[in-house]
Parts: sequence; C-alpha cells; structure tokens
Amino acid sequence: EDQVTQSPEALRLQEGESSSLNCSYTVSGLRGLFWYRQDPGKGPEFLFTLYSAGEEKEKERLKATLTKKESFLHITAPKPEDSATYLCAPTDSWGKLQFGAGTQVVVTP
Amino acid sequence: GAVVSQHPSWVICKSGTSVKIECRSLDFQATTMFWYRQFPKQSLMLMATSNEGSKATYEQGVEKDKFLINHASLTLSTLTVTSAHPEDSSFYICSARSENQETQYFGPGTRLLVL
Repeated sequence: EDQVTQSPEALRLQEGESSSLNCSYTVSGLRGLFWYRQDPGKGPEFLFTLYSAGEEKEKERLKATLTKKESFLHITAPKPEDSATYLCAPTDSWGKLQFGAGTQVVVTP
Repeated sequence: GAVVSQHPSWVICKSGTSVKIECRSLDFQATTMFWYRQFPKQSLMLMATSNEGSKATYEQGVEKDKFLINHASLTLSTLTVTSAHPEDSSFYICSARSENQETQYFGPGTRLLVL
C-alpha cells in the first residue's frame, strides 16, 4: 500500500534559522515527487518536481532533494513569508498525487 | 502562466440543495482535471479525475451520483454536490494538467458550508 509520511508535523523557526523537512514514501510505480506550498484557506502552490534519485532543485531559499525513499526540503535563512504548510506528493503509476499530511512551518521575526 | 480559477470562492447552502462549483484553466488547455476535498487540519484527498470529453473516474468511497463532475471543454470542469448535507461541508479544490505534462496546478479552492 502506498504511504507518504512527512515530518515533523509542525516546525517553528526564528527568522534566519535554517532547517529541513522530510518526506518518506513508498509508492509503487513512482513517476515523480512534487512539493507544494499551501497557505491557509488557499489551494496548493507548485514548488518543485523531482524525478530521479540524486536530483536537486532550488528556488530562492528552498532546495528540494530526492533519494530512492525520501525527499528533503531545505529552507535556508527563512523569512516570515516562508510560513506555510509544505506538502509532499509522490505520483503513482496512474499519475495521481499521493499527498502527505504536510509540515506546518511558522517563521517568527 | 498555469493559472487555475474556481468559482465561487465560498458558498453557504441549505441541507438538501445542490451546489455547483466551477474550475477553469485560464491560460492553458487542461486535458485532465482533478477534484480534491480537504477537511480542517487534514491533507488533500482526491475525489475524482476527469478527462475532457470523458466520464470522470471516482476514487473508492466517493459517490458518483452525489458528486457530479462534468469536463465538457479543455478549460472548464464543474463539480455539483447534489442534495448536500452538513457532512459535505469542506474545502473543495480543483487542479488541472495539460497533455503530456505531470504538474498539476491548483485552483484557490471553494469553501462549502451546508446548514
């Protein structure tokens, strides 16, 4: 059975305090792994797609990496505007996103 | 690019009435659209997948006669919640994907409250 586990569930950071979010997955027929950001009351916003182990993608203060069983989202020197819930979603062989429960990140000034 | 809109953004209705939610891809042709439901403090749960011009494919446990999905054009899909009940109150989010692309782009969501 496909499983996606994100940790930690919640993360409180001081502005400038770097950290990493983890996404562990077991998905049959993995086609890719997506990271989204979701603000309260809004739809998810696309961040990255990773397709193969060893791949890395960067966007501003965010960097996503992928191994065969995990993906990490590194937040470097976060700012308050980086506060959001970050969702990891591998896609299965049917192209369906299997969302994890998310990591809620709060960055305080 | 890749903008998806939803209308309405929120709706309140009485129990037993039907509600229609529209999802539009504004700047690309969406061969596939997806409908999700999200309860408070939970992640997104896929309800159904629709391909333009075809019948929707529903996930296990989702009643196809209660959640009617139409994807009649490459830019518009609708979700109709029929005979809504308070337990249908939720945040409904659509996403759209173009042909031969993997990335799904999400709409802003529609909050439904059934009284």
